Amino acid sequence: NAGVMQNPRHLVRRRGQEARLRCSPMKGHSHVYWYRQLPEEGLKFMVYLQKENIIDESGMPKERFSAEFPKEGPSILRIQQVVRGDSAAYFCASSRPGFYEQYFGPGTRLTVT
Amino acid sequence: QKEVEQNSGPLSVPEGAIASLNCTYSDRGSQSFFWYRQYSGKSPELIMSIYSNGDKEDGRFTAQLNKASQYVSLLIRDSQPSDSATYLCAVLNSGNTPLVFGKGTRLSVIA
Repeated sequence: NAGVMQNPRHLVRRRGQEARLRCSPMKGHSHVYWYRQLPEEGLKFMVYLQKENIIDESGMPKERFSAEFPKEGPSILRIQQVVRGDSAAYFCASSRPGFYEQYFGPGTRLTVT
Repeated sequence: QKEVEQNSGPLSVPEGAIASLNCTYSDRGSQSFFWYRQYSGKSPELIMSIYSNGDKEDGRFTAQLNKASQYVSLLIRDSQPSDSATYLCAVLNSGNTPLVFGKGTRLSVIA
């Protein structure tokens, strides 16, 4: 049973470019969560999605950031016009309906130059 | 503001000893509690979940929960150098709310 998959694992973008991060949940999981981790910082919740629905986006910056989880295909976290402060590790986690345990993917390390 | 507090460490223990990691949380409505292990440069790995007061054992790991004191702990028996990592405490209020993570405790097991 494959785990949570994320790609790319490393992404380098220049300031002002767009970053697209992808996440495929574990088989049987329909809940997806995105977290950001800055160096020496804790994990910060960004957004919680179910298929075609954003359930909670309280942790996501109001500008430049968006997320989706379409009926078919992976969840995507999109960052427009990236700035140096967006450099971080972005983790996706998934869970099964009715279960609270979240399982994390390997993460995408975003570097903005 | 819901908060989860952990001592950042590093906590150093000799190989074979018991490592005790502690976590307090501010939201009395919290229902579910998790411990994750994160090696440097890697993603968090779920090692324990606990939902009711008392102890829960899984191999060398024991999670302890005291909701009255808003306190959850993780004991690692017979600590090994491979246990050296950062341990993250995470708390969930209810099913559709986000996990709130502590900043983690760095554990170092000395051979």
